[in-house]
Amino acid sequence: DIQMTQSPSSLSASVGDRVTITCRASQTINTYLHWFQQKPGKAPKLLIYAASNLQSGIPSRFSGSGSGTDFTLTISSLQPEDFATYYCQQTYSIPWTFGQGTKVEIK
Amino acid sequence: QVQLVQSGAVVKKPGASVKVSCKTSGYTFTDYYIHWVRQAPGQGLEWMGWISPNSGGTNYAQKFQGRVTMTRDTSISTAYMELSRLRSADTALYYCAREGGGDVYGDSRPLDYWGQGTLVTVSS
Repeated sequence: DIQMTQSPSSLSASVGDRVTITCRASQTINTYLHWFQQKPGKAPKLLIYAASNLQSGIPSRFSGSGSGTDFTLTISSLQPEDFATYYCQQTYSIPWTFGQGTKVEIK
Repeated sequence: QVQLVQSGAVVKKPGASVKVSCKTSGYTFTDYYIHWVRQAPGQGLEWMGWISPNSGGTNYAQKFQGRVTMTRDTSISTAYMELSRLRSADTALYYCAREGGGDVYGDSRPLDYWGQGTLVTVSS
């Protein structure tokens, strides 16, 4: 199975900050990498697909980059509604696997 | 609009089985795979497998092989996930999710729409 490792596991940031979350795959996954946002009590929401493509309806302050084994999710200017947990997921090979999550909290 | 609406919360005893439904609307049910993902309390996301509503074909994570069965009823655009021989470690929120189509996403296969989740509690 492909292991997905996110860092950090949690972070504290202020509104307006630039936030970067990284995700590393245990083997190459090309760009079969997606990012989700999950708020308490809610289902995950797709933010970025295929490493760098913004899902329809998602604000442009979210961006993704990377290929192979190393990926990044960036929030250019953190907004109050962005405080949530973020997950990366690979769909390169079965079983699909998720990172452990990164919780973004208010500083 | 695309919607996936799941059945309500259930409590089961260890050793029992549970069947969760996922009723879809707003798109052609047979055109998109349905996946199941679970989340234990306070934990991360775990992929369980998929079903092709068109063919009924399935692909399960090895961890759940022999215990999980995914089915569908195309007449009512509904997918089902049944998990047997339940244990306390199966207590979780179970989500169904639609796999996005190739017309929009190419071959990257993201999960673009999710149900609201069904809490399954296993307790004696």
